[in-house]
Amino acid sequence: QKEVEQDPGPLSVPEGAIVSLNCTYSNSAFQYFMWYRQYSRKGPELLMYTYSSGNKEDGRFTAQVDKSSKYISLFIRDSQPSDSATYLCAIYNQGGKLIFGQGTELSVKP
Amino acid sequence: DTGVSQDPRHKITKRGQNVTFRCDPISEHNRLYWYRQTLGQGPEFLTYFQNEAQLEKSRLLSDRFSAERPKGSFSTLEIQRTEQGDSAMYLCASSTSDTYEQYFGPGTRLTVT
Repeated sequence: QKEVEQDPGPLSVPEGAIVSLNCTYSNSAFQYFMWYRQYSRKGPELLMYTYSSGNKEDGRFTAQVDKSSKYISLFIRDSQPSDSATYLCAIYNQGGKLIFGQGTELSVKP
Repeated sequence: DTGVSQDPRHKITKRGQNVTFRCDPISEHNRLYWYRQTLGQGPEFLTYFQNEAQLEKSRLLSDRFSAERPKGSFSTLEIQRTEQGDSAMYLCASSTSDTYEQYFGPGTRLTVT
């Protein structure tokens, strides 16, 4: 079993839709959760990070962690074509490294 | 504020050749990380440094791979006797030691023919 599982998609939505991206993880000791956005042939860009359970909001983006079910989510409101990218969830493992999911490819159609 | 930079951006090499990549982290960041990403997958951790010290190495980092950060600033990743399976994007990231946020460079895309 992979430590972090993420549906690779692809996910296609119309402009203005609410997007929900999700990951599950296996180790209940994980506490720091991150979302990165990666445009084609570019490096990942940090979007948001959260600690432990709860929600964190930044503009159109909301990150949510449910530690009881080991489930992390990223919601994008009023999605735009410029949001089209691959979204990677990542978990910080004590010792310094990030453990990434496979990434979900999102396409927002005008 | 200058971000993480990597050089070269693209490298095409023949199987069996040695290649070296360079990463320059954000200037005040004392931690530097190397990851590898293959098509359709998330980045996989290879190794990381705090200042000059290499603190952790993944089992993915075979003995053909070596990384250095001699003065605690830039880092190099060398792959000896490249194989076609080494074709991937090699990503560098940096952070401070008191945060969990890692900032990535644009990556070096390696193609082994």
